[in-house]
Amino acid sequence: KNQVEQSPQSLIILEGKNCTLQCNYTVSPFSNLRWYKQDTGRGPVSLTIMTFSENTKSNGRYTATLDADTKQSSLHITASQLSDSASYICVVSDRGKLIFGQGTELSVKP
Amino acid sequence: DTEVTQTPKHLVMGMTNKKSLKCEQHMGHRAMYWYKQKAKKPPELMFVYSYEKLSINESVPSRFSPECPNSSLLNLHLHALQPEDSALYLCASSHDRDAGYTFGSGTRLTVV
Repeated sequence: KNQVEQSPQSLIILEGKNCTLQCNYTVSPFSNLRWYKQDTGRGPVSLTIMTFSENTKSNGRYTATLDADTKQSSLHITASQLSDSASYICVVSDRGKLIFGQGTELSVKP
Repeated sequence: DTEVTQTPKHLVMGMTNKKSLKCEQHMGHRAMYWYKQKAKKPPELMFVYSYEKLSINESVPSRFSPECPNSSLLNLHLHALQPEDSALYLCASSHDRDAGYTFGSGTRLTVV
């Protein structure tokens, strides 16, 4: 069964600190892997999208990595800000069909 | 224009009402989607339109009726909804099914 699992389920960090969110997937075949940020009550906003051949992609303070051999991805957030508080969702595309993870709820405290 | 615009942002409707949600994009995307999202859950796919034709209906009840009048617009007509249909309804678009999606900000629907 195609699945996307994220960890941790929730995370609290202090402003200015770094953090790493994990995503493991069993989706096969695999087209691409996406990370989205979703503020409460708003639509998801795309952070990165990576294909099979890409190992890392950055978007400002966000850096995503992908290991297609172990079917693992991570999202690293550098120098966190209060505005980073949101749900981060890992999404894997199986030929256009999106498989969503349950998300990691990140809370950045002052 | 790189946005997907959804209206209204909030909607409260009774179980006997008829209402419509609207979605608009001007990025030339040929695939458009409706998703339903309950609190603290990932979005669930409802409908997919590809080149203005309905290509996927994820067994959605007939009280939800999608419509794609042209390549820029997507509507979701609502009739005789139930309180459990209360959720955030998200519209998204993409160049093709495997490209990155642009999501709208959603319509927060409450059925009373």
